[in-house]
Amino acid sequence: NAGVMQNPRHLVRRRGQEARLRCSPMKGHSHVYWYRQLPEEGLKFMVYLQKENIIDESGMPKERFSAEFPKEGPSILRIQQVVRGDSAAYFCASSPGPWRLRTEAFFGQGTRLTVV
Amino acid sequence: DAKTTQPNSMESNEEEPVHLPCNHSTISGTDYIHWYRQLPSQGPEYVIHGLTSNVNNRMASLAIAEDRKSSTLILHRATLRDAAVYYCILRDEAAGNKLTFGGGTRVLVKP
Repeated sequence: NAGVMQNPRHLVRRRGQEARLRCSPMKGHSHVYWYRQLPEEGLKFMVYLQKENIIDESGMPKERFSAEFPKEGPSILRIQQVVRGDSAAYFCASSPGPWRLRTEAFFGQGTRLTVV
Repeated sequence: DAKTTQPNSMESNEEEPVHLPCNHSTISGTDYIHWYRQLPSQGPEYVIHGLTSNVNNRMASLAIAEDRKSSTLILHRATLRDAAVYYCILRDEAAGNKLTFGGGTRVLVKP
């Protein structure tokens, strides 16, 4: 059973371009979470999605960022008009249902976005 | 999630035990104590969790104080591959489906 797959692992974009980060959850998992880790900082929650629904986007910047998790295919985190401050590692996690207090979360290897 | 306090860093020698403390004085009765670690250039990885009783698994042991205001993650024999940032996280129903990561403890293992 493959783990959470993220691609690309590394992404370089020029300022003003769009970045698309993909996350394929573990088999049988229908819940996806995105986190951002700025250089030398901790992980910050961004958004929680179920298939075709955004459940909690309280950590998502109000502008330029969007996320989706379609019925078919991976979850996509989209950053429009990237700026240097968007350079970070973006991690995705998945679960078969809402995280329970007693269960573990499964994270992907992350996508490292560099904006030049 | 309620707040946790961890030392910024710790050093250990290879093959020796490592005791990582976590203070959580505002813990409530329903908060579970979770530990995750993040190896260099990797995503976070679950280590262990508990509520009141001490817990053991193949990776580590979790010792929880009787008043639950603190806990200690124990790596019984540190290896170079255990060098990582270790996060102590409290989870409760109010937190919903978020894991809230603090600064963690950076563990350095010396050969």
